[in-house]
This record gives sequence, C-alpha cells and structure tokens, in this order.
Amino acid sequence: QSALTQPRSVSGSPGQSVTISCTGTSNDVGKYNYVSWYQQHPGKAPKLMINDVNERPSGVPDRFSGSKSGNTASLTISGLQAEDEADYYCSSYAGTYSHVFGTGTKVTVL
Amino acid sequence: QVQVVQSGAEVKKPGASVKVSCKASGYSFPSYYIHWVRQAPGQGPEWMGMIDPRVGSTSYAQRFQARVTMTGDTSTSTVYMELSSLRSEDTAMYYCARACVKGSSTSAVDYWGQGTLVTVSS
Repeated sequence: QSALTQPRSVSGSPGQSVTISCTGTSNDVGKYNYVSWYQQHPGKAPKLMINDVNERPSGVPDRFSGSKSGNTASLTISGLQAEDEADYYCSSYAGTYSHVFGTGTKVTVL
Repeated sequence: QVQVVQSGAEVKKPGASVKVSCKASGYSFPSYYIHWVRQAPGQGPEWMGMIDPRVGSTSYAQRFQARVTMTGDTSTSTVYMELSSLRSEDTAMYYCARACVKGSSTSAVDYWGQGTLVTVSS
C-alpha cells in the first residue's frame, strides 16, 4: 500500500485560505468516504481535524473543512491563524481492513 | 474522560523484540478498535495495524505482517504491540490510537497515546 501523495509545503498570510491536496487511487480515496485529516505540532501526537471526508469533530474550528473529488481529497483552512502552522496528514481507509497515511504537508503562516 | 496511556521508552539491540503497552480508560474498552501507528524521525505517520479488543481479531499492514503481533487484555483494558527482528530502521515513535466510531474498522482515530520512543541501536 503506497502512501497518499500530498504537497510538501503550502504557505499563506494570516487571514488567507490555504488548500492541501491528498491524492490516492481508486482503491482508497476514490473508493471510500473514509478520508481523515490530522494536524501535528512538533513533539506532539497527531490531532484529528476532519473525518469521513468533511466531518469536523467537536472542538475543531469551522475554518477547517474537507472535500473530495475522485481520487483526490482536500483540506481547506480558511482565515489562517498563527496556531495553524503545523504538519498536516491525510489518511484513508484502503479496504481489506487496512489504512494508509499521506506523505504530509507543512503549513507555514507567513 | 477518555485516556490512552502508553509504556515508556525502550532501547533495543538489532535482532531483538520490543513490546509496547497501551492502557485505555474512560470508555467501553471492548467497543472500539485500537490502531498502532509509528513515526520515524522527520517522517510522516505509518499505519501498522489494528485490533478489535472485543474479540482479539487483528489486521496488519503488509510490510509488518511477518514481524508484528497485536494482542489485547479486556480485564486490564490494555492492548500490546510486539515487533520482532528489530533493525535500525525501526527506530521511531510508536503510537496507539482509538477509533472514533464504536465498532468501526473503517473510521479515523481520535484519542492518541503519548507515544513510545523505540530506539534500535547496537
């Protein structure tokens, strides 16, 4: 199972919007609506930000949103804030009781 | 409140095995899958496998199939991950994490342990 493909980095100024893509295949992202997104600050465990493509867990700000089209899922951060600077990873159910993570994207707030 | 607490850091020699524990509390332990994820220094997370604590059934990522064993003990609400034939490339932070949907093998994970650093060095 190959890792899902994400851009290495994206950046934006405070208040702007950034979008991170996550490209898989027709066997994972394209087949299942079980895409999730995690935020990870240095030295910390990942934190769930989006599950099931576009569902926000309780406590996650509504400036985080998810979507999917074909084999590519996306995470959009609207109204970028300084505390959003972190690494972001997508993940997908990949069938036959398996999961796969993305390669990761570093978000920089300029 | 839900808590997931892992055992402490380990240093192992190449060829040895390591067993990491993950104790859960604050919810019905048998009802949620527990996943294991590792993260090598400077790298992204890598899914290793998961266990259904209710029945003890497991599913492993293909690349770990021959070397990993996940077990659970419902009497202590603890799951274990043992990785054998360690090599230097296995040096990583190992996390356990609870699935966020009851009884679901497809859902994301929400509650993570604090991580266990496993260092493999001669």
